[in-house]
Amino acid sequence: EAGVAQSPRYKIIEKRQSVAFWCNPISGHATLYWYQQILGQGPKLLIQFQNNGVVDDSQLPKDRFSAERLKGVDSTLKIQPAKLEDSAVYLCASREGTGNTGELFFGEGSRLTVL
Amino acid sequence: AQSVTQPDIHITVSEGASLELRCNYSYGATPYLFWYVQSPGQGLQLLLKYFSGDTLVQGIKGFEAEFKRSQSSFNLRKPSVHWSDAAEYFCAVRTDSWGKLQFGAGTQVVVTP
Repeated sequence: EAGVAQSPRYKIIEKRQSVAFWCNPISGHATLYWYQQILGQGPKLLIQFQNNGVVDDSQLPKDRFSAERLKGVDSTLKIQPAKLEDSAVYLCASREGTGNTGELFFGEGSRLTVL
Repeated sequence: AQSVTQPDIHITVSEGASLELRCNYSYGATPYLFWYVQSPGQGLQLLLKYFSGDTLVQGIKGFEAEFKRSQSSFNLRKPSVHWSDAAEYFCAVRTDSWGKLQFGAGTQVVVTP
């Protein structure tokens, strides 16, 4: 079974530029998450989708971050304009069910460096 | 508010020695607890999880964890570490029915020969 796919793996941009990350979850997984992992910290949830609807985006800096999950499958996370503090690994995860026992499967992440 | 604390930022252990990583949580209801491992440049891999029942949980790669409600702890253990266990380990608690996880800051494990 294919895992969660993310691209690009690495991205270097200058501040005020824009960047987009793509995630393809495991087939059939209804729930998709984007986490931000800053160096030396644990992952922090940015946004959570159930199919193509947003369940929780309370931690998403909406003035610069946006995310969508068209057709309830792939998802894109965009940052515009980027700030230095956005340097982090962006992890995508997906989960099959809606109950409490479903496991989250993580992609390898997209590492962003903002100069 | 829910929180997860991993008191040890960094642990160095000799190959073949035992390992214990500490995790304390704060959560109002019955917690669903997880341990994940992250190797350099990799995503997070689930080691084990606790939902209910037996408080001693077995996971992959020879790891186990014990849930102690009285101490609000969910410590991870391995009797004999291998060089391949060098990684960062994260404890997490599920905070809603949609599966959202709140992670601790992680513990970096270094294995020496």
